[in-house]
Amino acid sequence: SQTIHQWPATLVQPVGSPLSLECTVEGTSNPNLYWYRQAAGRGLQLLFYSVGIGQISSEVPQNLSASRPQDRQFILSSKKLLLSDSGFYLCAWSTGANYGYTFGSGTRLTVV
Amino acid sequence: AQSVTQPDIHITVSEGASLELRCNYSYGATPYLFWYVQSPGQGLQLLLKYFSGDTLVQGIKGFEAEFKRSQSSFNLRKPSVHWSDAAEYFCAVGGYNKLIFGAGTRLAVHP
Repeated sequence: SQTIHQWPATLVQPVGSPLSLECTVEGTSNPNLYWYRQAAGRGLQLLFYSVGIGQISSEVPQNLSASRPQDRQFILSSKKLLLSDSGFYLCAWSTGANYGYTFGSGTRLTVV
Repeated sequence: AQSVTQPDIHITVSEGASLELRCNYSYGATPYLFWYVQSPGQGLQLLLKYFSGDTLVQGIKGFEAEFKRSQSSFNLRKPSVHWSDAAEYFCAVGGYNKLIFGAGTRLAVHP
């Protein structure tokens, strides 16, 4: 069966520090991969999605970047965190958006 | 453009009462529709989905949803709410390579 792993679960980082969040999927090949963010009390904001290795689509220009170095690995990064980067980050995968997503358990990022 | 509207930001119901969460969508073709639930601090869990066929779909945890093409709606229902149903609920429509989510409805359940 397919599983999705996301880590760390919580993270507290100072302003200006770098960020790396990792998401991996098991049990499937060539998944579509997604990064979402939820700010406090807000809905889901799509940040990036990828339909294949090295293929990244950015939905919202901001202080973050994404990479897909392997088929089932999706990484969210920042060189210098801002206070506004705080939020709940969710990774998800699908075989095609019309089939729905499976979400990871999320990372709570607090920038201080 | 594709969009999803969840008109109710917050809903409060008493335990044992019936529940209906509203969802309206805008999509040019036959929609693929989903409802997800998110407990505090957790990821999203799929409750149910509609692709085609019977317009009343059954999901997990006793939830059901009805697709009404004429009203562009996909409302979520449950006949008797339990305290453990308190969570945030998201409606979504399938788009090219990605889902379009509504802003969510936060459900509170009074004992």
